[in-house]
Amino acid sequence: GQQVMQIPQYQHVQEGEDFTTYCNSSTTLSNIQWYKQRPGGHPVFLIQLVKSGEVKKQKRLTFQFGEAKKNSSLHITATQTTDVGTYFCSSGNTGKLIFGQGTTLQVKP
Amino acid sequence: GAVVSQHPSRVICKSGTSVKIECRSLDFQATTMFWYRQFPKQSLMLMATSNEGSKATYEQGVEKDKFLINHASLTLSTLTVTSAHPEDSSFYICSASPSGGEVGELFFGEGSRLTVL
Repeated sequence: GQQVMQIPQYQHVQEGEDFTTYCNSSTTLSNIQWYKQRPGGHPVFLIQLVKSGEVKKQKRLTFQFGEAKKNSSLHITATQTTDVGTYFCSSGNTGKLIFGQGTTLQVKP
Repeated sequence: GAVVSQHPSRVICKSGTSVKIECRSLDFQATTMFWYRQFPKQSLMLMATSNEGSKATYEQGVEKDKFLINHASLTLSTLTVTSAHPEDSSFYICSASPSGGEVGELFFGEGSRLTVL
């Protein structure tokens, strides 16, 4: 079945450094979503990408969908302590999503 | 955004007992809700799709007699973990999406942390 692989599993950065997490699939994806889960919390939807090569920005966050629609990335510029959490990519249809393993970001102040 | 509420947030029970978790969509109607399970420091695994007025659809490997799902109204789905055992201890999260919303935009409940002693 469809799978999305996410790397790295963990990332520790100094506040102010950049951070990137990657999501890869062996098959073409119809869409990709990114969610953020704070420690002890529940996943919160960040964004969805559907077009080949699509790039979307939310303040310091940049989301990309690969040209072949098999990979995606989330890049955070100048991390802040509020960015701490686990970032998941997902893909699917009609709300039935398959999630990547997640990348847990730790930010040292 | 849409609000999904889940109750209880934490529950501790003895082995062999049953536990019911409720998931409510507070400001929209949800004909479909999704139940996920998350082990510590792991990803979310889809357990089943809850369909209002009909039987739930379970993912491969999920025992339907163990995890009973009822979706009796457009705003409420329940998950009952029957004859719970310590290996059922986990974080259970429900989700839903308002009709007309983006395909991949799920709104998650706060989650229910189940500990089976």
